[in-house]
Amino acid sequence: QSALTQPPSASGSPGQSVTISCTGSSSDIGAYNFVSWYQQHPGKAPKIVIFEVHKRPLGVPNRFTGSKSGNTASLTISGLQTDDEADYYCSSSADSNNFVFGTGTKVTVL
Amino acid sequence: QLQLQASGPGLVKASETLSLICTVSGESFNGRTYYWAWIRQSPGRGLEWIGSFYSGRGSYFTSSLESRATISVDASKNQFSLKLDAVSAADTAVYYCARQRRTDFDFWGQGTLVTVSS
Repeated sequence: QSALTQPPSASGSPGQSVTISCTGSSSDIGAYNFVSWYQQHPGKAPKIVIFEVHKRPLGVPNRFTGSKSGNTASLTISGLQTDDEADYYCSSSADSNNFVFGTGTKVTVL
Repeated sequence: QLQLQASGPGLVKASETLSLICTVSGESFNGRTYYWAWIRQSPGRGLEWIGSFYSGRGSYFTSSLESRATISVDASKNQFSLKLDAVSAADTAVYYCARQRRTDFDFWGQGTLVTVSS
Protein backbone atom coordinates (compact mmCIF):
# COMPACT_ATOMS: atom_id res chain seq x y z
CA GLN A 1 0.00 0.00 0.00
CA SER A 2 1.64 3.27 -1.09
CA ALA A 3 1.55 6.39 1.07
CA LEU A 4 -0.88 9.12 0.10
CA THR A 5 0.79 12.09 -1.57
CA GLN A 6 0.85 15.48 0.15
CA PRO A 7 2.87 18.62 -0.66
CA PRO A 8 5.90 18.87 1.64
CA SER A 9 5.07 22.39 2.74
CA ALA A 10 2.42 25.09 2.76
CA SER A 11 2.37 28.55 4.25
CA GLY A 12 0.24 31.60 4.87
CA SER A 13 0.13 34.78 6.91
CA PRO A 14 -1.99 35.09 10.05
CA GLY A 15 -5.63 35.41 9.11
CA GLN A 16 -5.17 33.92 5.67
CA SER A 17 -6.23 30.47 4.48
CA VAL A 18 -4.12 27.50 3.45
CA THR A 19 -5.27 24.33 1.69
CA ILE A 20 -3.43 21.01 1.81
CA SER A 21 -4.11 18.31 -0.75
CA CYS A 22 -3.90 14.55 -0.22
CA THR A 23 -3.89 12.36 -3.32
CA GLY A 24 -4.53 8.64 -3.25
CA SER A 25 -6.15 6.12 -5.54
CA SER A 26 -9.39 4.31 -6.28
CA SER A 27 -8.39 1.75 -3.63
CA ASP A 28 -8.31 4.20 -0.75
CA ILE A 29 -9.54 7.81 -0.92
CA GLY A 30 -11.61 7.16 -4.01
CA ALA A 31 -13.25 4.08 -2.52
CA TYR A 32 -14.22 5.26 0.95
CA ASN A 33 -15.51 8.39 2.68
CA PHE A 34 -13.15 7.62 5.54
CA VAL A 35 -10.48 10.30 5.23
CA SER A 36 -9.10 11.77 8.44
CA TRP A 37 -6.57 14.52 9.12
CA TYR A 38 -4.10 14.81 11.99
CA GLN A 39 -2.19 17.79 13.37
CA GLN A 40 1.22 17.15 14.92
CA HIS A 41 3.25 19.74 16.79
CA PRO A 42 6.98 19.05 17.24
CA GLY A 43 7.65 16.34 19.79
CA LYS A 44 3.95 15.67 20.30
CA ALA A 45 1.57 12.91 19.32
CA PRO A 46 -0.74 13.51 16.37
CA LYS A 47 -4.18 14.92 17.16
CA ILE A 48 -7.23 14.30 15.01
CA VAL A 49 -8.78 17.43 13.47
CA ILE A 50 -11.06 15.96 10.77
CA PHE A 51 -12.68 12.53 10.38
CA GLU A 52 -14.94 10.96 7.75
CA VAL A 53 -13.81 13.56 5.19
CA HIS A 54 -15.40 16.64 6.72
CA LYS A 55 -16.48 16.02 10.34
CA ARG A 56 -14.81 17.87 13.21
CA PRO A 57 -14.23 16.32 16.64
CA LEU A 58 -15.49 18.24 19.64
CA GLY A 59 -13.15 21.10 20.44
CA VAL A 60 -11.70 21.51 16.96
CA PRO A 61 -12.52 25.00 15.65
CA ASN A 62 -14.59 25.39 12.52
CA ARG A 63 -11.60 27.05 10.87
CA PHE A 64 -10.63 23.50 9.92
CA THR A 65 -12.66 22.10 7.02
CA GLY A 66 -12.25 18.92 5.00
CA SER A 67 -13.46 17.85 1.60
CA LYS A 68 -12.95 15.18 -1.04
CA SER A 69 -13.23 14.91 -4.81
CA GLY A 70 -12.44 11.66 -6.55
CA ASN A 71 -9.10 10.35 -5.33
CA THR A 72 -8.04 13.62 -3.68
CA ALA A 73 -8.93 14.96 -0.24
CA SER A 74 -8.22 18.45 1.04
CA LEU A 75 -7.85 20.21 4.37
CA THR A 76 -8.39 23.95 4.53
CA ILE A 77 -7.33 26.01 7.51
CA SER A 78 -8.89 29.46 7.45
CA GLY A 79 -8.04 32.42 9.66
CA LEU A 80 -4.54 31.05 10.24
CA GLN A 81 -3.21 31.36 13.76
CA THR A 82 0.32 30.89 15.04
CA ASP A 83 -0.71 27.70 16.86
CA ASP A 84 -1.74 26.17 13.52
CA GLU A 85 1.95 25.89 12.62
CA ALA A 86 2.49 22.14 12.66
CA ASP A 87 2.77 19.05 10.49
CA TYR A 88 -0.47 17.72 9.02
CA TYR A 89 -1.10 14.16 7.89
CA CYS A 90 -4.05 12.71 6.02
CA SER A 91 -5.16 9.11 6.37
CA SER A 92 -7.62 6.90 4.57
CA SER A 93 -9.14 3.49 4.95
CA ALA A 94 -7.92 1.16 2.22
CA ASP A 95 -8.74 -2.30 0.95
CA SER A 96 -8.64 -5.32 3.29
CA ASN A 97 -9.03 -3.45 6.57
CA ASN A 98 -5.90 -1.43 5.90
CA PHE A 99 -5.08 2.18 6.64
CA VAL A 100 -2.68 4.40 4.76
CA PHE A 101 -1.23 7.75 5.84
CA GLY A 102 -0.07 10.69 3.79
CA THR A 103 3.51 11.85 3.44
CA GLY A 104 2.86 14.89 5.63
CA THR A 105 2.76 18.65 5.06
CA LYS A 106 4.56 21.23 7.16
CA VAL A 107 2.39 24.32 7.58
CA THR A 108 4.25 27.52 8.34
CA VAL A 109 2.55 30.68 9.57
CA LEU A 110 4.55 33.55 8.15
CA GLN B 1 -10.20 11.65 29.95
CA LEU B 2 -8.80 8.64 28.14
CA GLN B 3 -5.02 8.33 28.23
CA LEU B 4 -2.72 5.86 26.53
CA GLN B 5 0.93 5.30 27.39
CA ALA B 6 3.30 3.16 25.35
CA SER B 7 6.27 1.66 27.13
CA GLY B 8 9.08 -0.76 26.45
CA PRO B 9 12.81 -1.02 25.82
CA GLY B 10 14.25 1.95 24.00
CA LEU B 11 17.02 -0.13 22.47
CA VAL B 12 16.64 -3.46 20.70
CA LYS B 13 19.33 -5.46 18.95
CA ALA B 14 18.96 -6.31 15.30
CA SER B 15 17.31 -9.68 14.59
CA GLU B 16 15.66 -9.72 18.04
CA THR B 17 12.01 -9.08 19.01
CA LEU B 18 10.63 -5.63 19.79
CA SER B 19 8.01 -5.76 22.56
CA LEU B 20 5.87 -2.79 23.56
CA ILE B 21 2.93 -2.40 25.91
CA CYS B 22 0.22 0.23 25.81
CA THR B 23 -1.53 0.97 29.09
CA VAL B 24 -4.99 2.51 28.84
CA SER B 25 -6.33 4.67 31.68
CA GLY B 26 -9.04 7.18 32.36
CA GLU B 27 -11.98 5.03 31.49
CA SER B 28 -12.99 1.39 31.39
CA PHE B 29 -11.08 -0.58 28.86
CA ASN B 30 -13.72 -1.98 26.60
CA GLY B 31 -12.35 -4.04 23.77
CA ARG B 32 -15.80 -4.58 22.36
CA THR B 33 -16.48 -0.90 21.77
CA TYR B 34 -13.27 0.27 20.21
CA TYR B 35 -10.37 -1.09 18.32
CA TRP B 36 -6.75 -0.61 19.34
CA ALA B 37 -3.90 0.25 17.01
CA TRP B 38 -0.16 0.64 16.72
CA ILE B 39 1.34 3.30 14.47
CA ARG B 40 4.97 4.25 14.01
CA GLN B 41 6.85 7.27 12.74
CA SER B 42 10.36 7.41 11.38
CA PRO B 43 12.07 10.37 9.70
CA GLY B 44 12.25 8.67 6.35
CA ARG B 45 8.72 7.26 6.25
CA GLY B 46 6.39 9.57 8.14
CA LEU B 47 3.46 7.89 9.84
CA GLU B 48 2.91 4.21 9.14
CA TRP B 49 -0.05 2.15 10.35
CA ILE B 50 1.31 -1.12 11.74
CA GLY B 51 -1.87 -2.94 12.65
CA SER B 52 -5.04 -3.05 14.69
CA PHE B 53 -6.73 -5.45 17.08
CA TYR B 54 -10.47 -5.84 16.63
CA SER B 55 -12.22 -7.51 19.55
CA GLY B 56 -13.96 -10.64 18.35
CA ARG B 57 -12.34 -10.40 14.93
CA GLY B 58 -8.61 -10.65 15.56
CA SER B 59 -5.84 -8.50 14.16
CA TYR B 60 -5.07 -6.86 10.85
CA PHE B 61 -1.64 -5.63 9.77
CA THR B 62 -0.07 -3.66 6.99
CA SER B 63 1.13 -6.13 4.38
CA SER B 64 4.81 -5.31 4.79
CA LEU B 65 4.79 -6.22 8.49
CA GLU B 66 2.14 -8.91 8.84
CA SER B 67 4.62 -11.78 8.82
CA ARG B 68 6.52 -10.28 11.77
CA ALA B 69 3.90 -8.48 13.88
CA THR B 70 1.55 -9.64 16.63
CA ILE B 71 -0.97 -7.60 18.63
CA SER B 72 -2.61 -8.96 21.75
CA VAL B 73 -4.91 -7.58 24.44
CA ASP B 74 -5.00 -8.14 28.20
CA ALA B 75 -8.30 -6.57 29.24
CA SER B 76 -7.74 -7.45 32.91
CA LYS B 77 -4.73 -5.10 32.93
CA ASN B 78 -6.15 -2.48 30.57
CA GLN B 79 -3.26 -3.16 28.24
CA PHE B 80 -2.56 -4.17 24.67
CA SER B 81 0.80 -5.06 23.23
CA LEU B 82 2.86 -5.20 20.07
CA LYS B 83 5.55 -7.71 19.20
CA LEU B 84 7.67 -7.28 16.11
CA ASP B 85 10.06 -10.09 15.26
CA ALA B 86 13.42 -10.00 13.52
CA VAL B 87 13.86 -6.25 13.69
CA SER B 88 16.35 -4.29 11.61
CA ALA B 89 17.51 -0.67 11.47
CA ALA B 90 14.47 0.07 9.31
CA ASP B 91 12.27 -0.56 12.36
CA THR B 92 13.84 2.32 14.29
CA ALA B 93 10.96 4.72 14.95
CA VAL B 94 8.70 6.37 17.49
CA TYR B 95 5.93 3.88 18.19
CA TYR B 96 2.48 5.17 19.08
CA CYS B 97 -0.48 3.30 20.45
CA ALA B 98 -3.90 4.68 19.66
CA ARG B 99 -7.58 4.10 20.18
CA GLN B 100 -9.22 3.45 16.87
CA ARG B 101 -12.80 4.10 16.00
CA ARG B 102 -13.77 2.14 12.96
CA THR B 103 -12.11 4.46 10.47
CA ASP B 104 -9.85 6.86 12.37
CA PHE B 105 -7.63 7.21 15.41
CA ASP B 106 -9.15 9.53 17.99
CA PHE B 107 -6.80 9.19 20.97
CA TRP B 108 -3.03 8.72 20.77
CA GLY B 109 -0.42 7.93 23.37
CA GLN B 110 2.70 10.07 23.60
CA GLY B 111 4.87 7.60 21.74
CA THR B 112 8.03 5.76 22.65
CA LEU B 113 11.29 5.81 20.68
CA VAL B 114 12.72 2.44 19.77
CA THR B 115 16.21 2.28 18.30
CA VAL B 116 17.47 -0.90 16.67
CA SER B 117 21.19 -1.37 17.12
CA SER B 118 23.50 -3.59 15.18
